[in-house]
Amino acid sequence: NAGVTQTPKFQVLKTGQSMTLQCAQDMNHEYMSWYRQDPGMGLRLIHYSVGAGITDQGEVPNGYNVSRSTTEDFPLRLLSAAPSQTSVYFCASSYSRRGARSGANVLTFGAGSRLTVL
Amino acid sequence: QQQVKQSPQSLIVQKGGISIINCAYENTAFDYFPWYQQFPGKGPALLIAIRPDVSEKKEGRFTISFNKSAKQFSLHIMDSQPGDSATYFCAARTQGGSEKLVFGKGTKLTVNP
Repeated sequence: NAGVTQTPKFQVLKTGQSMTLQCAQDMNHEYMSWYRQDPGMGLRLIHYSVGAGITDQGEVPNGYNVSRSTTEDFPLRLLSAAPSQTSVYFCASSYSRRGARSGANVLTFGAGSRLTVL
Repeated sequence: QQQVKQSPQSLIVQKGGISIINCAYENTAFDYFPWYQQFPGKGPALLIAIRPDVSEKKEGRFTISFNKSAKQFSLHIMDSQPGDSATYFCAARTQGGSEKLVFGKGTKLTVNP
């Protein structure tokens, strides 16, 4: 049981390049999400998904795309990277309320992907 | 619009002391309030959580106090240890089908030996 796995751990891009941050979970969680963490800004929600085929925008979605073709995977795409997207990105997953086994539903985070855009 | 306001931004306490981190919210639709702990280079991990129908929850040295009328909640770390040095985030979840959390900006706690 690996939990939430993010790749790559580190990436350097040039402005205008595209890339995909990968996220996979093996806990059969329905809910998956992407956050970015910037100094002094906390964790801000980019996109989330409540199940395969369903995605929605969070607080800071501009410049990012997501898709959810399987329960396990939730990739985050940067189509044209900008220096403002330099950040640490976290993928997180949990059971949905319907599938939660206990009252407190735990959002489990990956180890993060540090992205630098030059 | 910051939905969850957290203070202080940083906190330094001596070993054995009490660490207190405060959060405030406006949205009365929030129905679940977790605290996350993050060590450098790691992802946040759930520390303790509370629901608004409970005024206090204690797990070991960690206690959440919840004041529904004031729309405030706080984390107390008793007998703080150097190993508690980390960044702490409060969060809140909205009622409804989504599990999305909104987070405070975080508090960097340093416990000096």
